[in-house]
Amino acid sequence: KNQVEQSPQSLIILEGKNCTLQCNYTVSPFSNLRWYKQDTGRGPVSLTIMTFSENTKSNGRYTATLDADTKQSSLHITASQLSDSASYICVVSGGGKDKLVFGAGTILRVKS
Amino acid sequence: EAGVTQSPTHLIKTRGQQVTLRCSPISGHTSVYWYQQALGLGLQFLLWYDEGEERNRGNFPPRFSGRQFPNYSSELNVNALELEDSALYLCASSSVDREGYGYTFGSGTRLTVV
Repeated sequence: KNQVEQSPQSLIILEGKNCTLQCNYTVSPFSNLRWYKQDTGRGPVSLTIMTFSENTKSNGRYTATLDADTKQSSLHITASQLSDSASYICVVSGGGKDKLVFGAGTILRVKS
Repeated sequence: EAGVTQSPTHLIKTRGQQVTLRCSPISGHTSVYWYQQALGLGLQFLLWYDEGEERNRGNFPPRFSGRQFPNYSSELNVNALELEDSALYLCASSSVDREGYGYTFGSGTRLTVV
């Protein structure tokens, strides 16, 4: 069964600290993996896109890694800011329009 | 390029009423997806429309329905509203880029059923 599991479910960190969110998947075949950031009450916004051949990709203070052998991805946030408080959703694509599998998300709260 | 637009942004309805939510995909995108997100929970797949046809639906009762118009915009209809229908309803259109398929989401419609 195609599944995407994210951990931790929620996380509280102090402003300025780093954190890492995890995403494990069993989706097959695999086309790409995307991390989305969803602010409360808003639609998710794409942060990074990883394909099979990519191991790491950065977008500002966000760095995503992908290990296609172990089917794991991580999202590392550096020097966190209050505005990073959001839900982070991992989405894995199996290659077609209807082959997108969503994780339940990690809720991150950054406090001052 | 305009993104995915949804209307209205907020809505309050009474239990038993009917509601229609609207979505316009990114220009050129033929697929529209609807998701329900209850407060504090993950996205639950509702419906997928592509080229004017319903292609797939999630595990929701028949009172959740919709359609897609020739210009690829879409409506989500919910009949006989129940309190637990209160949620953020998100619409997304799909894009294919060099990395493959992905979603672009709208900002959502917050529905409150009282």
